[in-house]
Amino acid sequence: GAVVSQHPSRVICKSGTSVKIECRSLDFQATTMFWYRQFPKKSLMLMATSNEGSKATYEQGVEKDKFLINHASLTLSTLTVTSAHPEDSSFYICSARGRGLGEQYFGPGTRLTVT
Amino acid sequence: AQTVTQSQPEMSVQEAETVTLSCTYDTSESDYYLFWYKQPPSRQMILVIRQEAYKQQNATENRFSVNFQKAAKSFSLKISDSQLGDAAMYFCAYRGGGRMNYGGATNKLIFGTGTLLAVQP
Repeated sequence: GAVVSQHPSRVICKSGTSVKIECRSLDFQATTMFWYRQFPKKSLMLMATSNEGSKATYEQGVEKDKFLINHASLTLSTLTVTSAHPEDSSFYICSARGRGLGEQYFGPGTRLTVT
Repeated sequence: AQTVTQSQPEMSVQEAETVTLSCTYDTSESDYYLFWYKQPPSRQMILVIRQEAYKQQNATENRFSVNFQKAAKSFSLKISDSQLGDAAMYFCAYRGGGRMNYGGATNKLIFGTGTLLAVQP
């Protein structure tokens, strides 16, 4: 089956620094990737949708300058949290869908802690 | 806008028993897809079952089956012979766009708030 990986699985950074999270589709070409944020015991909140080679589409209320998304290739998308603050601490999950693949496959998530 | 509602924040079931998780949704579309995802403590989202709205037959995957009532906009998940490994958060999800656009780039999954299922030994 289709596999999506995320790196790192956990990251701790200091307030004011930036952190990058990578999302890779390992065995298929991901034409579309989705980034979600999940608070403890809550549902997944879609942050943005990105298509390979084009700018990401952000959901209402998500700051695009704060959460930079780059979908540079068909197998890699990155989420950069810029000038991170403690309130950015959360669990971030990526998901990928391939051309002709209706299913959406999820990565294992990244836990970000900002101190 | 489409919405997905899960009215049971938590449920509990005895091992080997059957449990049903509820989900309702609201949409003006006639062709769409519904999903149940499982999120165990590892936090990895796992697709449990998928239902196409144009199909009248309820989807089944081993011990997991759905009761899809299109007119009532209801999509419940039944877990038979519950096992300890079934303990997880379960999310109901909706995706519009229909058959002709299943691979459409902009079709987003809309999730419910989740039901935390505990399985008692």
